[in-house]
Amino acid sequence: DGGITQSPKYLFRKEGQNVTLSCEQNLNHDAMYWYRQDPGQGLRLIYYSQIVNDFQKGDIAEGYSVSREKKESFPLTVTSAQKNPTAFYLCASSIGSSGGIPQYFGPGTRLTVL
Amino acid sequence: DQQVKQNSPSLSVQEGRISILNCDYTNSMFDYFLWYKKYPAEGPTFLISISSIKDKNEDGRFTVFLNKSAKHLSLHIVPSQPGDSAVYFCAAIVYQGGSEKLVFGKGTKLTVNP
Repeated sequence: DGGITQSPKYLFRKEGQNVTLSCEQNLNHDAMYWYRQDPGQGLRLIYYSQIVNDFQKGDIAEGYSVSREKKESFPLTVTSAQKNPTAFYLCASSIGSSGGIPQYFGPGTRLTVL
Repeated sequence: DQQVKQNSPSLSVQEGRISILNCDYTNSMFDYFLWYKKYPAEGPTFLISISSIKDKNEDGRFTVFLNKSAKHLSLHIVPSQPGDSAVYFCAAIVYQGGSEKLVFGKGTKLTVNP
């Protein structure tokens, strides 16, 4: 079964701790993305990667870091520098990043910082 | 500055009737528009898209209309079913930094009453 998996579904951390959210896809997609959703808001782009070993900042990259060492994996680290980390985090992937190709989303991880 | 606007936060319709979800945009350089459906605590699901060179695209019960002169698009769902109850996000694709990125509206919550 092809798809995007994000783990865990719910994550709790103490303030000041770094935390890494997992995103794995077996769709053989080149491009991967991280978004954040806050209540009553649309999705905002954090980071994206068009190809392995390459990634770019999105609109709200401050306080976040990513890596893309493997095609199927795009983990997101929420650092202690992120001032308001509690949110619903969504990972997405697409075959490419041009031509109007839709992105497909994982189930999301809800991060709560206590 | 919000480039994609969904001015109605919620919409309620009766089962079997038409649901019309609206979206306005400000950037005339958008190449593609997409609609996503999202259930609570899940990732968005891609529904339908339209290229900026077209004015209509249909897929089963879902039809998207694009009015470029008015910078307006709409999603029609006919007939509406209770399972259609979800938040619907309008998104536009913009070419930036060498790749395409999605810009999302804030969403419209659709409730279909039996």
